[in-house]
Amino acid sequence: QKEVEQDPGPLSVPEGAIVSLNCTYSNSAFQYFMWYRQYSRKGPELLMYTYSSGNKEDGRFTAQVDKSSKYISLFIRDSQPSDSATYLCATNLLSGGYNKLIFGAGTRLAVHP
Amino acid sequence: DGGITQSPKYLFRKEGQNVTLSCEQNLNHDAMYWYRQDPGQGLRLIYYSQIVNDFQKGDIAEGYSVSREKKESFPLTVTSAQKNPTAFYLCASSRGTVLAGRRNIQYFGAGTRLSVL
Repeated sequence: QKEVEQDPGPLSVPEGAIVSLNCTYSNSAFQYFMWYRQYSRKGPELLMYTYSSGNKEDGRFTAQVDKSSKYISLFIRDSQPSDSATYLCATNLLSGGYNKLIFGAGTRLAVHP
Repeated sequence: DGGITQSPKYLFRKEGQNVTLSCEQNLNHDAMYWYRQDPGQGLRLIYYSQIVNDFQKGDIAEGYSVSREKKESFPLTVTSAQKNPTAFYLCASSRGTVLAGRRNIQYFGAGTRLSVL
């Protein structure tokens, strides 16, 4: 079992839709959770960063963490064609004196006009 | 502008050849990382460095080598021992590796796509 599971998609939605992207994780020691957005042939860029259970909102984006279920989500409201990208969830684990980032496989999102 | 610069953007390797991917950062970060990205597999850590003149193997270090002679630079060599080098290679940096929270957020370069001729 992978430490972080993420449905690779692709997910195709019409412009204006609400998008829900999800990851599950296996280790309750994971503390911090991140969402990265990666456009085609580009490096990932940090979109959202959360620590505690609950919701964190930034504009059209909401990150949700449920530590009891080991479930993290990213919601995109009023989706735009410019949101078309691969979304990677990530978490961290202190291992061997090093804070290691563990990534999900990424979900490819296409928002069509 | 502060950031991470990877070069070249595209690279081709011949059989039996070593190739070196460049990564430079001007963020004054102590830690640097190399990842490999294959379709459907997410990012896998090749090597990381917490400080100059020190580096550690990640999850898939075989067939790769690195050096960290300067804080700003962390080049990756893909050796002829790496039998399946075709992938997208990403370099990242962070303020530290053992620091918790936002101080360990990793920032990525634009990547190098390596293919085999």
